[in-house]
Amino acid sequence: AQKVTQAQTEISVVEKEDVTLDCVYETRDTTYYLFWYKQPPSGELVFLIRRNSFDEQNEISGRYSWNFQKSTSSFNFTITASQVVDSAVYFCALSGQGAQKLVFGQGTRLTINP
Amino acid sequence: GAVVSQHPSWVICKSGTSVKIECRSLDFQATTMFWYRQFPKQSLMLMATSNEGSKATYEQGVEKDKFLINHASLTLSTLTVTSAHPEDSSFYICSARDSEGHQETQYFGPGTRLLVL
Repeated sequence: AQKVTQAQTEISVVEKEDVTLDCVYETRDTTYYLFWYKQPPSGELVFLIRRNSFDEQNEISGRYSWNFQKSTSSFNFTITASQVVDSAVYFCALSGQGAQKLVFGQGTRLTINP
Repeated sequence: GAVVSQHPSWVICKSGTSVKIECRSLDFQATTMFWYRQFPKQSLMLMATSNEGSKATYEQGVEKDKFLINHASLTLSTLTVTSAHPEDSSFYICSARDSEGHQETQYFGPGTRLLVL
């Protein structure tokens, strides 16, 4: 069975601080895909990144960076110099090879205080 | 690119009525769409997988006669909540997979908030 665990239910930091959101996954598939989505208060899920299991290269996109480590089954997300607009619920998700379903973590509610 | 729309964004209805929610992929074709339900402060719960031209596949515990899904074209899937009751009040979100692009990625609509009185 596939499972995604986001142990941090809520995180609150002051603006400009760096913050890391943890994601640990479980799967028996050799090929799989990992995702991060952002859900602002409006409710829409915004796609942030997709990473396949054969690509462990870390990625940086502006203030966002992702650290994928197969050895620890983790796919952590770091926001550098956080801003109030980063406040949202962030979901980590997993999809297996050929499987259409996304397995979501419970989400981490991130609050950036001015 | 990869824009998914939902209509309506808000709906309030009386108990016993039926409500139809539309999900459209605006700039790509989606042979597969998904319907989720989300309760406050909880994660997304997959209700069903909608396949163009065929019957939807429902998750365990989801009543298919209660939540009717139709995927008549490559850009449109509809979810009809039949004989809605207050316990059906929730946030419903659809997603779509790009048939020709990165098929592993689901793009989500803005969601529909349903309140049944």
